[in-house]
Amino acid sequence: AQSVTQLDSHVSVSEGTPVLLRCNYSSSYSPSLFWYVQHPNKGLQLLLKYTSAATLVKGINGFEAEFKKSETSFHLTKPSAHMSDAAEYFCVVTRGRGSYIPTFGRGTSLIVHP
Amino acid sequence: DTGVSQDPRHKITKRGQNVTFRCDPISEHNRLYWYRQTLGQGPEFLTYFQNEAQLEKSRLLSDRFSAERPKGSFSTLEIQRTEQGDSAMYLCASSWGLNTGELFFGEGSRLTVL
Repeated sequence: AQSVTQLDSHVSVSEGTPVLLRCNYSSSYSPSLFWYVQHPNKGLQLLLKYTSAATLVKGINGFEAEFKKSETSFHLTKPSAHMSDAAEYFCVVTRGRGSYIPTFGRGTSLIVHP
Repeated sequence: DTGVSQDPRHKITKRGQNVTFRCDPISEHNRLYWYRQTLGQGPEFLTYFQNEAQLEKSRLLSDRFSAERPKGSFSTLEIQRTEQGDSAMYLCASSWGLNTGELFFGEGSRLTVL
């Protein structure tokens, strides 16, 4: 079985400060990991993906995430938050080749204050 | 627009009625997924197709739910005898090849059961 745990339901930051959204995963096999973003009244959009290549993954809009196998973590970071980053973020795991069912976390709501 | 489209975007129905949602995936994508999302939760997997074959169904998909993808292109999700607990956003996503987890989502169909 595979699962992800997003450790914070809400994260609040000020514009221009760093962002950290935490995700821990559980998988019996080598996982593929993803972060998706959902803006209000918009469809889910892929931010970045890890598929067993480089452990530090860069995504769109300045986001990046680091795969740490020893910690079973895949935290999402951004050096400087922008007002437009306010959205719901989902960490997603698949088992990898042979498993085609992406499993979503409960989501973290990012709030950005001016 | 060549993205994933869903119809209708909103549906309000009375308990006990049947509803049907349609999803048109990106044309070259061979996999199509249905997810359900309720307020404050991440998307929950319902079922997925590879071409026209329905390969997996979640235990969430009761006998009242049925999905089809008759020609490996568009898909329909029907809910019979709707219940208030069926109120949710129904999300469709598509993907291609072995890019497990790299999904392209539609904007969803919101169902409200009165």
